[in-house]
Order: sequence, then C-alpha cells, then structure tokens
Amino acid sequence: ETGVTQSPTHLIKTRGQQVTLRCSSQSGHNTVSWYQQALGQGPQFIFQYYREEENGRGNFPPRFSGLQFPNYSSELNVNALELDDSALYLCASSLGFGHQKYNEQFFGPGTRLTVL
Amino acid sequence: DAKTTQPTSMDCAEGRAANLPCNHSTISGNEYVYWYRQIHSQGPQYIIHGLKNNETNEMASLIITEDRKSSTLILPHATLRDTAVYYCIVRTSTTSGTYKYIFGTGTRLKVLA
Repeated sequence: ETGVTQSPTHLIKTRGQQVTLRCSSQSGHNTVSWYQQALGQGPQFIFQYYREEENGRGNFPPRFSGLQFPNYSSELNVNALELDDSALYLCASSLGFGHQKYNEQFFGPGTRLTVL
Repeated sequence: DAKTTQPTSMDCAEGRAANLPCNHSTISGNEYVYWYRQIHSQGPQYIIHGLKNNETNEMASLIITEDRKSSTLILPHATLRDTAVYYCIVRTSTTSGTYKYIFGTGTRLKVLA
C-alpha cells in the first residue's frame, strides 16, 4: 500500500509568482484535503476535494485554488504569492462519504514553500 | 467551528505516563475528537480518536469527559521517540457533508531520559 506523497519537497518563489503543488492520495482514498501550516502553528484547513469537486473551504482567498483528477491525485495552486504564504503545505487523503466513524486522514510529508 | 485549547509544552520522564489535556468546550454532539502528532515538521501522524466513550489502542488511550468539553491523551510508557508536537483536533462537517479537521496550536511534549 502506497502512502500519501507530495512534490516537490521544497520550493522557493518570489512575491507575485504562481506555484503548483502536487499530491498523490493513498490507494483507495477518494478525498483529498489541503492544509497550510505556518511556522510554529497548527495546520489550517484550506479546502477539500471529493470526486473532482471542491467540497468545503476554509478561510482562504480565491487565489488559492485546486484540482482533483480521476485517479484522485490533486493539485494546489496559489496565484500572486505573498510573503505570508511561506509555510508547509500538507495534503491528506481519506475515504469520503459513508465512512463517518473511520474517517481518518492520512497526511503526506508536506511541501515547504518559501516566498521571497 | 469548535476550537481546541492545549498547553504549549510539557515534559515527561522516560518510562512514565504522559497525560496531555485538551479543552474543547464548544464541541457539538456529532463532532469527533482526534489526536495526531507531528515530528520535525513531517506530516502529522494519527494516534487515536473518539466521540464520547474512552478509547484505547496500541499507541495510547483517550479519556473524554462525560460533558465532552475536554479530553486527555495518555501515552502509558513514554519513550524518547514520543518527543513531538501533539495536536488535539475536532473533526467537523463541511458544508457538503464530508469532514475537515480543526487543529489546535498543539502541545510540544519533550520526553526526558
């Protein structure tokens, strides 16, 4: 069984640029959630994708967007990067509807984004 | 969204039980409590979860108060490898009916030799 993988591991961008982060779900999982973790803070929910559609969103502006593909892998896109976007970006996969009690999320290792 | 409050840091002697408290006084009746830990900014690792009954697995025990306003994670015999940041999480529903995690700020547990 393959776990959740993310790429790239590290990324450096400059303010105003755009970035795409990628996530491959654990086998059999159809739901992907993205989180932003600033240094010294707990992860903050960005949004979730289920069956290729956005399915819940946290308090993040529209320049944070995503995609989910038929194989359940996912991308997080951030436009017009700001210095405060520097963070560890985590994706987590899980089973979706119909699995209330056992909806454990499995996290990837994260992508460390630095905006200069 | 329900919020969690945890102490910023705790120390525990190796071999002793580590008891990590969490306050979640605004939790709703159908919201689960989850615990994860994170080591060296890796991805968080699942430990245990519960709704209203106490739970135990091979890693830990979870004690939830009868009013569900607080809980305690217990690591029965802490080892140096248990040094990590421990997050108490409320799992809540999204507008579309799936689930999202609301993380607290975490407790940095240091296990001392």
